[in-house]
Order: sequence, then structure tokens, then C-alpha cells
Amino acid sequence: SQTIHQWPATLVQPVGSPLSLECTVEGTSNPNLYWYRQAAGRGLQLLFYSVGIGQISSEVPQNLSASRPQDRQFILSSKKLLLSDSGFYLCAWSLVRDYEQYFGPGTRLTVT
Amino acid sequence: KQEVTQIPAALSVPEGENLVLNCSFTDSAIYNLQWFRQDPGKGLTSLLLIQSSQREQTSGRLNASLDKSSGRSTLYIAASQPGDSATYLCAERAGGTSYGKLTFGQGTILTVHP
Repeated sequence: SQTIHQWPATLVQPVGSPLSLECTVEGTSNPNLYWYRQAAGRGLQLLFYSVGIGQISSEVPQNLSASRPQDRQFILSSKKLLLSDSGFYLCAWSLVRDYEQYFGPGTRLTVT
Repeated sequence: KQEVTQIPAALSVPEGENLVLNCSFTDSAIYNLQWFRQDPGKGLTSLLLIQSSQREQTSGRLNASLDKSSGRSTLYIAASQPGDSATYLCAERAGGTSYGKLTFGQGTILTVHP
């Protein structure tokens, strides 16, 4: 069966510090991968998606970047965090078959 | 621009009651629609995926319907239990995308009290 992992589970970082969040998927090959942010009062917003290694597309301009160094690894990064980067970050995967998405447990990021 | 709206924003019901959650979408070229459950501080759990060619899908006490012509989907929960308390999200997947982008509604917060 497939599983998706995210770490860390929670993170408190000062403004201006770097960020690296990691997502890995087990039990499947060549998945589509997604990063979402859930902020209070704003619902779920798609940040990045990837259809293959090294292929990253951004949905919204922002202070964040994403990378996919391996088939089942997706990384969300920032060089300098802003207060507005606070939120709940969710990673998801899907297969091209029907695109049903499966979500990870999330990372709660608080920028102070 | 695709928009997804969920009504009501919050719902409180006594245990055992049958209930319906509503989801409206603007994109008539829908590919499929997915219903999720989210417990506080947790990720999303996929409940049902209903294809644009289907009218409904069932899983246990859950039944989701899809009406493309009216741009509506409903999630029916039978014999509700306190363990059903959570936020329920619907998300539409439009046709024509190569990667399955989802557009989410704001969610319905469901509370089932004993």
C-alpha cells in the first residue's frame, strides 16, 4: 500500500530564516506531487505541482520554491521566511489514472 | 475562474440523524469531484471520488452525488455518529489539465453531538 510522509510535523521559525520541508511517498512510482498551504480563513491553496523529477510548476508567485530531486521526494523551501508564510503545509500525491489525490499529515509552520 | 462553494459553513446535528452537505461548482467541464474529511490539525482523508460520467458513489454510510448540469454535488451521511465530527471539503478537478489540479471549497464544519 502507498503511504506519504511529511516532516517535520511542526516548526517555529523566525522571520528571515530559511525553510526546508520534506515529503516522501512510498509504494508507488512516478506519482504527481503537490504542495498546498492551508491558512486560516483562506482555504486550501495549491502552491506547486510536479509531474516528474526536476519538473516543477508554480501556481502562485510567492516567497517559496519547490524541488523534486528523486521520483518520490518533494521539497518545499524558502531562503528567507516572511510572517505571511505561516500556515499548514500539505503534500499530496496522485496517479495519472484518475488523479485522485492522497494527502500527507501536514506540517504546521509558525513564523515569528 | 473556477469557484467551489460549500453550504452550510457549519452544521450541528444530534447523533443518528441523516444529513446532507452541499457543494456547488462553476466549471461545467468538470473531470471529477473529490470529497475529503479533515480532522483538526490533521491532513485530508479522501472519502469519495466521483467521475463526471457518474451520478453517485457510495462508501459505507456515505453517498456522494454529482449533477453536472446544475453544478452541484452532495454528500449524504446516514445515521451520523460523534466520530463523524470533522471538516468536510469538496474539491473539483477540471477537465483539460494535465496534472489534476483541484479547486477546493471552504469546507463544512460538522459537529455530531451525542
